[in-house]
Amino acid sequence: SQELEQSPQSLIVQEGKNLTINCTSSKTLYGLYWYKQKYGEGLIFLMMLQKGGEEKSHEKITAKLDEKKQQSSLHITASQPSHAGIYLCGAVGGSNYKLTFGKGTLLTVNP
Amino acid sequence: DGGITQSPKYLFRKEGQNVTLSCEQNLNHDAMYWYRQDPGQGLRLIYYSQIVNDFQKGDIAEGYSVSREKKESFPLTVTSAQKNPTAFYLCASTAAGHWGYTFGSGTRLTVV
Repeated sequence: SQELEQSPQSLIVQEGKNLTINCTSSKTLYGLYWYKQKYGEGLIFLMMLQKGGEEKSHEKITAKLDEKKQQSSLHITASQPSHAGIYLCGAVGGSNYKLTFGKGTLLTVNP
Repeated sequence: DGGITQSPKYLFRKEGQNVTLSCEQNLNHDAMYWYRQDPGQGLRLIYYSQIVNDFQKGDIAEGYSVSREKKESFPLTVTSAQKNPTAFYLCASTAAGHWGYTFGSGTRLTVV
């Protein structure tokens, strides 16, 4: 089965700083998703990457998928307190469309 | 507006009781999923269903049961056989052959 490893497990940054969260897969990724979650709430879709070398941006968040399609990174530029939460990467590994998740990265942004 | 509705938001269960978590979607999605979330564990798949009247076990199905009698509904029953049911439960859905997943807002189950 597919396993996703996220790093770091938690991250504390000062407002305005840049940060990167990584997601590494044990198998080739058919689709890689990034979600954000506030504690006790549902998942908010951020971005989905499918092609090797693909990069997408939304506001101050950029996600990349490497050429081998086994690693993705999420980069936040000039972090704000509103960026705080749990970031989860999820991946689809086959035709059954089962979505497997990493354990998440807890981001704290101090004002 | 289309979406997924999970109810209740909070649920308390006594030891030895079965409880059922509701998940309803009006997105006309074919596939539905149940995940469990524990602190530091990410989301783990309990059951999923790709069509009506059919469902498959996920990675942690023991102690849980589901049904899929209608396309819109995928209720999850947490049975007394589940030894550690306290967790946050999330339901999701997607259209067949489509990559977009929609998640509900979750149900927090606590054993008292």
